[in-house]
Formats: sequence, structure tokens, C-alpha cells
Amino acid sequence: AQSVTQPDIHITVSEGASLELRCNYSYGATPYLFWYVQSPGQGLQLLLKYFSGDTLVQGIKGFEAEFKRSQSSFNLRKPSVHWSDAAEYFCAVGGYNNNDMRFGAGTRLTVKP
Amino acid sequence: DVKVTQSSRYLVKRTGEKVFLECVQDMDHENMFWYRQDPGLGLRLIYFSYDVKMKEKGDIPEGYSVSREKKERFSLILESASTNQTSMYLCASSDQGRANEKLFFGSGTQLSVL
Repeated sequence: AQSVTQPDIHITVSEGASLELRCNYSYGATPYLFWYVQSPGQGLQLLLKYFSGDTLVQGIKGFEAEFKRSQSSFNLRKPSVHWSDAAEYFCAVGGYNNNDMRFGAGTRLTVKP
Repeated sequence: DVKVTQSSRYLVKRTGEKVFLECVQDMDHENMFWYRQDPGLGLRLIYFSYDVKMKEKGDIPEGYSVSREKKERFSLILESASTNQTSMYLCASSDQGRANEKLFFGSGTQLSVL
């Protein structure tokens, strides 16, 4: 069965510092990969997605993610974090019809002034 | 604007009660999902449906059932609520016709079982 692992439960970075959130997946076919963000008291918002083509994908709010098939990873990055990026981030993997989407446990990001 | 609407934002029930969580989407999506969200565990898939009257178990279906009589509505049923079902429940929908479409989420129902 497909699964997603986010090894870091909680990360703290200083405002202006770079960020990398890790995601590893297990999926038996071609994976469709997603990063979602959930701000406090808010619903989940899609940051970016990957299904084919260029392995470096750009998303909203200055985020990007790189798909590495050999490592089964889809790590999320941002070169300079803003205080408003404090939130919980979820990596997800699904199949072609999106009817078996699985999420990781999430990484909570704290941004220090 | 597209919408996934969950009928209740907060719900308090007693142990042993039958509980219905309702979800309606207005996007004509084929896929609908029920997840529960718990701290440290992320979102875990309870059930999903890819068509009317069709359902598939997710990773944690025990203690839950679902109903999809109409395309726009997907109900989660707790036959006999227990305290370990206290959680945030999220409904989502997605289009099946195109690959790699995102999920649209409702705002969630925080269920407390006392």
C-alpha cells in the first residue's frame, strides 16, 4: 500500500533562512505528489504538485519541490522563509485518478523573528 | 467559488450514540474522501468513494461506515461513537477526469465524544 513519511515532526527556522522539508513516499506505480499547507485554523491549501516532466516544480508563495525517483523523495524548499510561512505542511501521494490519496503525518514549521 | 461544505464545525456526542457527518460538494466531482486528522498522525484516510454508491475502505475504516446516494453528498457514519473517535474530520473531493487534480477540502468537523 502507498505511504508517505515526513521524518521531521517539528522544524524551527529563523526568518530569512532557507527551508527544506523532507518527504519520502512508497507507491507501486507512477506517483502523483503534492505538498499542502495548513495554517492555524485554516483548511488545507495546495502549494504544488508533480506528476511528470521537469523534476523541479514551482509552487505558490515561493516554494519549490524536487522529485527524486531514485530516493523516493519529494522535498519541499524555500530560499528565504517569512513569518507568515509558519504552518503545518503535508506531503501527499496519489494515483492517476486521485482516488487513493495518502498523506504524511505533517511537519510543523515555526519561524523565529 | 468552488465549495466543499461540512454540515457542522463542532460536534459533541456521547459514547454509544450514532453520529452522522455530512459533506456536500458543488463541483460535480466523482471522488470524495473522509479523513481524520490527529496531532502527530497527520491525515489518515477512512473511506473514499469514486462514484455514487461506490465506496472503498481507506487505512482506518474500523468503526466507520459511509453512504453516497447522490454524487454531491458523502456521509460518514459512526455507528456507536467511542472516545477514541474524538478527532478532526475532514471531507474532500476531487475530479477524476484529469490526472493529478488537487483535493478540495472542507473546513472540518471537530468531533468530541464524551
